Amino acid sequence: AQSVAQPEDQVNVAEGNPLTVKCTYSVSGNPYLFWYVQYPNRGLQFLLKYITGDNLVKGSYGFEAEFNKSQTSFHLKKPSALVSDSALYFCAAEGNNRLAFGKGNQVVVIP
Amino acid sequence: KAGVTQTPRYLIKTRGQQVTLSCSPISGHRSVSWYQQTPGQGLQFLFEYFSETQRNKGNFPGRFSGRQFSNSRSEMNVSTLELGDSALYLCASSLAGQVPSTDTQYFGPGTRLTVL
Repeated sequence: AQSVAQPEDQVNVAEGNPLTVKCTYSVSGNPYLFWYVQYPNRGLQFLLKYITGDNLVKGSYGFEAEFNKSQTSFHLKKPSALVSDSALYFCAAEGNNRLAFGKGNQVVVIP
Repeated sequence: KAGVTQTPRYLIKTRGQQVTLSCSPISGHRSVSWYQQTPGQGLQFLFEYFSETQRNKGNFPGRFSGRQFSNSRSEMNVSTLELGDSALYLCASSLAGQVPSTDTQYFGPGTRLTVL
């Protein structure tokens, strides 16, 4: 069964600084990995996914993620955080057409 | 293209009642999945439908059921509501013809169910 861990509950970062949200995974078979963001009282918005190929995946709103097979990690990154990036971020792994989600990370960008 | 829509957006029910939630997928998407989101348990998979067939099911009691229609619209039903069923119920659609799928699941805004 697929599982995903997001070790930090909250990530605080100053506006303009680099943002990293950590994710590690445990999957059987090929890892298909996703990042979603959720704003208050909203559904999940897709940011990016890793299926195969280049380990650096670029996504929406300036986000990117680095797939590391040896460390079984898929960390989300943004070079320069914006206040509007404050939200809940979820990492997920696909398994049999179901997504296994991490617990989520609350990101707070401080002006 | 219109996104995934869910109705109603908010529901208040009392214990013992039943509720039906509706989801309309993105046009052309044939797979619809349902998830429950709570502060304590996070996001949990309920079930997935493809071409009117339940293809996958999570670990929820039989009070939770669903169906999919020929136009890919889906409904989920919860009978004999309990206080613990209070949650945000999210629907997601994707192309997802094959299993496992590399297709992206796109989520609707959710239905906020409160059980009193």
